[in-house]
Amino acid sequence: GAVVSQHPSWVICKSGTSVKIECRSLDFQATTMFWYRQFPKQSLMLMATSNEGSKATYEQGVEKDKFLINHASLTLSTLTVTSAHPEDSSFYICSARGGAIQETQYFGPGTRLLVL
Amino acid sequence: AQRVTQPEKLLSVFKGAPVELKCNYSYSGSPELFWYVQYSRQRLQLLLRHISRESIKGFTADLNKGETSFHLKKPFAQEEDSAMYYCALQSGGSYIPTFGRGTSLIVHP
Repeated sequence: GAVVSQHPSWVICKSGTSVKIECRSLDFQATTMFWYRQFPKQSLMLMATSNEGSKATYEQGVEKDKFLINHASLTLSTLTVTSAHPEDSSFYICSARGGAIQETQYFGPGTRLLVL
Repeated sequence: AQRVTQPEKLLSVFKGAPVELKCNYSYSGSPELFWYVQYSRQRLQLLLRHISRESIKGFTADLNKGETSFHLKKPFAQEEDSAMYYCALQSGGSYIPTFGRGTSLIVHP
């Protein structure tokens, strides 16, 4: 089946530093990748949608200069949290669409970010 | 605008009892509806989708356009069904999903 990986699985950083999270589709080409944020015991909040080779489309309220998304290839998308602050601490999940069932998303395991 | 409502944050049942997780949606067109499940310490994964009309792990969900609902049902809950369940909607022609807030199902032995 289709597998999506994320790296790192967790990261702790100091306030003001930037953190990059990678999302890879391991055995299929992802035409579209999604980035979500999940707060404890809450639903997934879609942050942005990215298609390979084009700029990401950000949801309302998400700062694109704060959360930089790059989708350089059909198997890799990165999310960079720039100048991270404690309020950016969260669980970030990526998903990829593609593979055998085009309408289905395959989710990564998530990355837990803690900003001190 | 499309919206997905899961009215219950938590649903607690005993093993062997029937379970129904509610999902209501608002969308003017023809929606595609999904149920995703997230077991403890695992990633979110697709459970079933309405166009497949299939039963997965004993769960079924029927799209009721009149009531704009897509409730997830299982006649006899098992302990391993304990998880977070998310209902999601995709509008026709769009690949961007809208998720409900999720319902935590706990099945007691």
